[in-house]
Amino acid sequence: GQSLEQPSEVTAVEGAIVQINCTYQTSGFYGLSWYQQHDGGAPTFLSYNALDGLEETGRFSSFLSRSDSYGYLLLQELQMKDSASYFCAVRSGYSTLTFGKGTMLLVSP
Amino acid sequence: DTAVSQTPKYLVTQMGNDKSIKCEQNLGHDTMYWYKQDSKKFLKIMFSYNNKELIINETVPNRFSPKSPDKAHLNLHINSLELGDSAVYFCASSPNPGRDSPLHFGNGTRLTVT
Repeated sequence: GQSLEQPSEVTAVEGAIVQINCTYQTSGFYGLSWYQQHDGGAPTFLSYNALDGLEETGRFSSFLSRSDSYGYLLLQELQMKDSASYFCAVRSGYSTLTFGKGTMLLVSP
Repeated sequence: DTAVSQTPKYLVTQMGNDKSIKCEQNLGHDTMYWYKQDSKKFLKIMFSYNNKELIINETVPNRFSPKSPDKAHLNLHINSLELGDSAVYFCASSPNPGRDSPLHFGNGTRLTVT
């Protein structure tokens, strides 16, 4: 089976940098994804890492270390609108995307 | 121009009833999914269809029956609703079932069983 661990909650202030970690255990691994979900909204895709290293998309970056079964999402120049839940997810087989339990990010002024 | 649309947005019903949720995507994707999000926000896959064919059927009670009339539609019918079925149900689609294919989610259907 698959299991993913991520912190339940992270708090930060506007303008700061925050890192949300994700460790995973899976029988097969094809990549680590990150999704953002605002309260009452739909999850939206942020990033995907299949290979080790850092992927940067604007203020958001995602990192993967396959040997450590570990990844993180880095959010820079935090804005109030970044307050949301962030989910890491692993694709471990054909069409199977398994989500972590989510990290609630609270950004304060 | 909504990409993945689900109806209804809210569904309140009594135990024992049967209800359906409809989903349509206009992205031209081949693969569609149903996910259930519980009160603790845990997202769990229920079903996945690729080109109208069922490819994932997780451990879901057989009271839940998906139906895909064509690759743009994936509906979910639930029989004999139970209190534990209360959750938000998300439909999603992806270009294909492949490993790097991001999911596009609908806005969810909040089901409340009383």
